Amino acid sequence: GAVVSQHPSRVICKSGTSVKIECRSLDFQATTMFWYRQFPKQSLMLMATSNEGSKATYEQGVEKDKFLINHASLTLSTLTVTSAHPEDSSFYICSAPGRANTEAFFGQGTRLTVV
Amino acid sequence: KQEVTQIPAALSVPEGENLVLNCSFTDSAIYNLQWFRQDPGKGLTSLLLIQSSQREQTSGRLNASLDKSSGRSTLYIAASQPGDSATYLCAVRPRDSNYQLIWGAGTKLIIKP
Repeated sequence: GAVVSQHPSRVICKSGTSVKIECRSLDFQATTMFWYRQFPKQSLMLMATSNEGSKATYEQGVEKDKFLINHASLTLSTLTVTSAHPEDSSFYICSAPGRANTEAFFGQGTRLTVV
Repeated sequence: KQEVTQIPAALSVPEGENLVLNCSFTDSAIYNLQWFRQDPGKGLTSLLLIQSSQREQTSGRLNASLDKSSGRSTLYIAASQPGDSATYLCAVRPRDSNYQLIWGAGTKLIIKP
């Protein structure tokens, strides 16, 4: 089946620094990727939809200047958390959709801890 | 607006029992429904995918049903094992979405040896 690779799996950074998370589709082309965030004991919440070659679409309440998304190729989308704060500590996971009636494929997730 | 609810939020049962996890959704206009497993601090493992035209899917000890008209799905786990302990999430793909999924909050399952 299709594989989505997300890197890094864990990262600890200092407040004020920026962190980049990569999401790659390994054996298929993804014109769209989704970025989710999960707080402890809560469900996944969609942050933004990444579109290859165009601007990302952000969900209401998500700061586009803080969570920079770049989808420069058909196999790579990146999420950069800029000027990270401790409240940005969370589990971030990317997903690429299959065709309309097939399953979605997920990266392994990134545990971000801001200290 | 589609909403997905999972009940119960947490469940603890002795090893060997059969159990049922519930998922309900408010809008029946969906492409499919998927059940996932998430281990602590880990990513998601897809368990079963049910297309909107299907009634159930089976994989090993897992059986998922879908009643689209009533907005319900169940995940049946037979002969539970301690290794089944995890959080189980259901998600639907609405027909009017750009392939995004709408998620339930999950059921945290603990199987006691």
